[in-house]
Amino acid sequence: DAKTTQPTSMDCAEGRAANLPCNHSTISGNEYVYWYRQIHSQGPQYIIHGLKNNETNEMASLIITEDRKSSTLILPHATLRDTAVYYCIARDLGYGNKLVFGAGTILRVKS
Amino acid sequence: SQTIHQWPATLVQPVGSPLSLECTVEGTSNPNLYWYRQAAGRGLQLLFYSVGIGQISSEVPQNLSASRPQDRQFILSSKKLLLSDSGFYLCAFHPRTHEQFFGPGTRLTVL
Repeated sequence: DAKTTQPTSMDCAEGRAANLPCNHSTISGNEYVYWYRQIHSQGPQYIIHGLKNNETNEMASLIITEDRKSSTLILPHATLRDTAVYYCIARDLGYGNKLVFGAGTILRVKS
Repeated sequence: SQTIHQWPATLVQPVGSPLSLECTVEGTSNPNLYWYRQAAGRGLQLLFYSVGIGQISSEVPQNLSASRPQDRQFILSSKKLLLSDSGFYLCAFHPRTHEQFFGPGTRLTVL
């Protein structure tokens, strides 16, 4: 699986959009980009995934650059409950479908 | 609906004692199953995964073992706990879709 690089932490004002970047410059053609988040003392929660095209669901939007070397997770209207560690993972659908988590980005939403 | 159960929620064990953590999944068949550990203030580490009954893959050498006696049951064990085994243990399952679901976790303290 390709290595991903994320900023250690970010702050966002409540009600504003939170834009979380992720670099995956060595991503291969069959690797998807996944985003999960972990709120303190809970298990990680799936947010969204994508391969080439931008994706949107009820939680967030995922913007993937044309060369697929980076992506941005967008939380359109961040709330205090969005404060969490956000993980970007590049992974193919190989044997075991393993998810390997890095350090992630600590997002602090402030009022 | 798909659900995942883990127990116990918290556990305090002396060094050298055995360990058995159980995870069961409902609402899906033949899922991939995973055990993760998160030490205090650290990231998620994948310990074991299983693609079927009796099939266990270990990601890191350690003092722990895993077993899958039934399709939707995954057990994490140790014969003798070490202080370094303390942490937050998470079970997860992957129902052959893109999303991986995590259980509520077991917080283990070894004294």
